[in-house]
Amino acid sequence: EAEVAQSPRYKITEKSQAVAFWCDPISGHATLYWYRQILGQGPELLVQFQDESVVDDSQLPKDRFSAERLKGVDSTLKIQPAELGDSAMYLCASSLEPLDGYTFGSGTRLTVV
Amino acid sequence: EDKVVQSPLSLVVHEGDTVTLNCSYEVTNFRSLLWYKQEKKAPTFLFMLTSSGIEKKSGRLSSILDKKELFSILNITATQTGDSAVYLCGTYRSSNTGKLIFGQGTTLQVKP
Repeated sequence: EAEVAQSPRYKITEKSQAVAFWCDPISGHATLYWYRQILGQGPELLVQFQDESVVDDSQLPKDRFSAERLKGVDSTLKIQPAELGDSAMYLCASSLEPLDGYTFGSGTRLTVV
Repeated sequence: EDKVVQSPLSLVVHEGDTVTLNCSYEVTNFRSLLWYKQEKKAPTFLFMLTSSGIEKKSGRLSSILDKKELFSILNITATQTGDSAVYLCGTYRSSNTGKLIFGQGTTLQVKP
């Protein structure tokens, strides 16, 4: 069964350091999402791509977060500088079309110390 | 502002029990409601509900949507320890780009 690949699975970083996460969606899925899930809460959308274009980044803290999907395939989410409040699970998901149910990757659990 | 609220927040049952999880929503231009199961990793898709009153079933799990009263329920019969997980519901608007608004989740623990 096709999967969304994410790496790393776990990341511990010191505050004020830079950190990056990578996601490779299911082949052929044009829509890619990055969600953040704080412990005990539901996931919240950070950014959505349609191919290489950003469709929605209204909840992305743009002073410290950036995301790109240069060739419309894999994607990178970066945080610089990391803050303690960024500790969370970062989930990537993809879908063939918007409004199809998505497939999530296994996530990157970030701990900022 | 769109809102999705799940109840209860947590639940402990014994194997063999039947559980009902609730999801209520206030969403502009509602299109669909989705249920996911999340164990210690990524959420996995369970159901997508778009039409009111039509039950969807998969084994011991079933779900139904009430678009008049703006809620959905997820039923699990004859629970097993492997059903222990966080159950998330999320909603789509018709007019949006594919963003899911999630509730806070219900944590289910099934004891042997």
